[in-house]
Amino acid sequence: GENVEQHPSTLSVQEGDSAVIKCTYSDSASNYFPWYKQELGKGPQLIIDIRSNVGEKKDQRIAVTLNKTAKHFSLHITETQPEDSAVYFCAASYNYGQNFVFGPGTRLSVLP
Amino acid sequence: ETGVTQSPTHLIKTRGQQVTLRCSSQSGHNTVSWYQQALGQGPQFIFQYYREEENGRGNFPPRFSGLQFPNYSSELNVNALELDDSALYLCASSFYDGADTQYFGPGTRLTVL
Repeated sequence: GENVEQHPSTLSVQEGDSAVIKCTYSDSASNYFPWYKQELGKGPQLIIDIRSNVGEKKDQRIAVTLNKTAKHFSLHITETQPEDSAVYFCAASYNYGQNFVFGPGTRLSVLP
Repeated sequence: ETGVTQSPTHLIKTRGQQVTLRCSSQSGHNTVSWYQQALGQGPQFIFQYYREEENGRGNFPPRFSGLQFPNYSSELNVNALELDDSALYLCASSFYDGADTQYFGPGTRLTVL
């Protein structure tokens, strides 16, 4: 089955700096890769996603890149703000989300 | 806010008991997926329901079961609770059209003593 690894497990950056979180997946059949942000006591919130027919997607300060050959995808956050502090999860899926596999998460701390 | 609601917010049970958790999907969504999130870990897929039928299942024993109702709301039932069942249970709703995008509710925190 699919296995998703995520690095780093913790990340501290200064406010205004960029943050990059990387994930690798094992199943070449995976074709949908979302990123979720989870704040304490809340459910995961979708922040951006990418499908396997696209190499890069951007939404304001957030971007995701996908390398299908290497089977890895990355989240890029620019101009970080304290409210970006949270746990970020990547996931890989195919077949309409029946096999949604999440990474172990990255705790991002943005220091003022 | 995603429009996905879950009840109750918190629940405390003892080992061996049974529990039912509830989820109301976002308007327009016809698919509900359930996840278990242990402390400090990513969510793990339990199962998915589409048109009131189980539509995929993760590596969870049969004592985890579910239902989906005609209004697309859903229940997760866990029998013979074990201490390791203590976790945050999340439901996510989506529209089964190839879009995959899942929107999560706030979760139910289950503690088994």
